[in-house]
Amino acid sequence: EAGVVQSPRYKIIEKKQPVAFWCNPISGHNTLYWYLQNLGQGPELLIRYENEEAVDDSQLPKDRFSAERLKGVDSTLKIQPAELGDSAVYLCASSSGGVDNEQFFGPGTRLTVL
Amino acid sequence: AQSVTQLDSQVPVFEEAPVELRCNYSSSVSVYLFWYVQYPNQGLQLLLKYLSGSTLVKGINGFEAEFNKSQTSFHLRKPSVHISDTAEYFCAVGEYGNKLVFGAGTILRVKS
Repeated sequence: EAGVVQSPRYKIIEKKQPVAFWCNPISGHNTLYWYLQNLGQGPELLIRYENEEAVDDSQLPKDRFSAERLKGVDSTLKIQPAELGDSAVYLCASSSGGVDNEQFFGPGTRLTVL
Repeated sequence: AQSVTQLDSQVPVFEEAPVELRCNYSSSVSVYLFWYVQYPNQGLQLLLKYLSGSTLVKGINGFEAEFNKSQTSFHLRKPSVHISDTAEYFCAVGEYGNKLVFGAGTILRVKS
């Protein structure tokens, strides 16, 4: 069974440029998460989707971040414009929504903003 | 609000020695507890989880953890570590259907 797929794995951009990350969850997983992981810290939730609906986006900085999950499968997270402080790893995870809430993580996208 | 404190940022240990990685949590409701491992340039992988029942939970790669409700702890242990266990370990607390709240992580460095 294929795991969570993310692309690109690495991205380097100049500040004020836009950037987008893509995630394809495990087949059949209705719940999709985007996490931000700063260096030396644990992941922090940005947004959670149940199918195509964003059910928790309270930690998403909506002035520059946006996300979508059209058709309730893959998802895109966008930053426009990027700032120096956005340099981090962006992790995508998915789960089947079962009682154990086990989340399966992708390898992440490491963003460097210059 | 839930929170997780991992008491050690780094734990150096010699190969074949035992190790304990400490985790304390706070939550106002019943929780589920998890330990994840992250190898360099990889995503997080679930080691073990506590949902209910026996307080001693066994996971993959010979790891185990004990849930202690009175001390609000969920420490991770392994009786004999290998070089390949070198990684970062994250403790997390979650509620059904909700987000996971992670600790800051503990880097386990196994030396030969």
